[in-house]
Amino acid sequence: SQQGEEDPQALSIQEGENATMNCSYKTSINNLQWYRQNSGRGLVHLILIRSNEREKHSGRLRVTLDTSKKSSSLLITASRAADTASYFCAHGGNDMRFGAGTRLTVKP
Amino acid sequence: NAGVTQTPKFQVLKTGQSMTLQCAQDMNHEYMSWYRQDPGMGLRLIHYSVGAGITDQGEVPNGYNVSRSTTEDFPLRLLSAAPSQTSVYFCASAGQKNQPQHFGDGTRLSIL
Repeated sequence: SQQGEEDPQALSIQEGENATMNCSYKTSINNLQWYRQNSGRGLVHLILIRSNEREKHSGRLRVTLDTSKKSSSLLITASRAADTASYFCAHGGNDMRFGAGTRLTVKP
Repeated sequence: NAGVTQTPKFQVLKTGQSMTLQCAQDMNHEYMSWYRQDPGMGLRLIHYSVGAGITDQGEVPNGYNVSRSTTEDFPLRLLSAAPSQTSVYFCASAGQKNQPQHFGDGTRLSIL
């Protein structure tokens, strides 16, 4: 079974809008990571947030982590058509587990 | 810098055939892993390795074997292919466990 679960499963927005994706997990973590996958390609690492951090920024990305609720969110601000992709959260030690992902469509 | 290289990119097999999916990385990473990705299921971990000579099972190991004789290579073997193994297979590597993983572009495998 997946240990990270993203929601929503799919999200469609207009260019310039913000996109928020959520991730829940079941076990204790050292860190939580977000990845992006363009159609037909491998996953690309976006950002890592440690268990003792609550918020992290990278360019137009903002990630929050609430360990008490075992949840994380990824915010993409001022979205662009090129942000269209699937986004996954992942965590784990030796055996990192991924959720089913959120498919984001940004319409120009 | 090639990163993680997977071969072949596409393969069609008949039920019962065996084959090896190749994965190589040139980043001197200790951690390597194999995932399969099926529609609506995300990525599921098949096997992983924390260093040469060390492998362990992931979430869905049945029907697959791995070995790690060198730091660079982590091949995945299908012993007797079944239609349920039709999937896209991704190899990934990281410096250590818990660190960000670098992914190959995948092998698209169809089993008839």
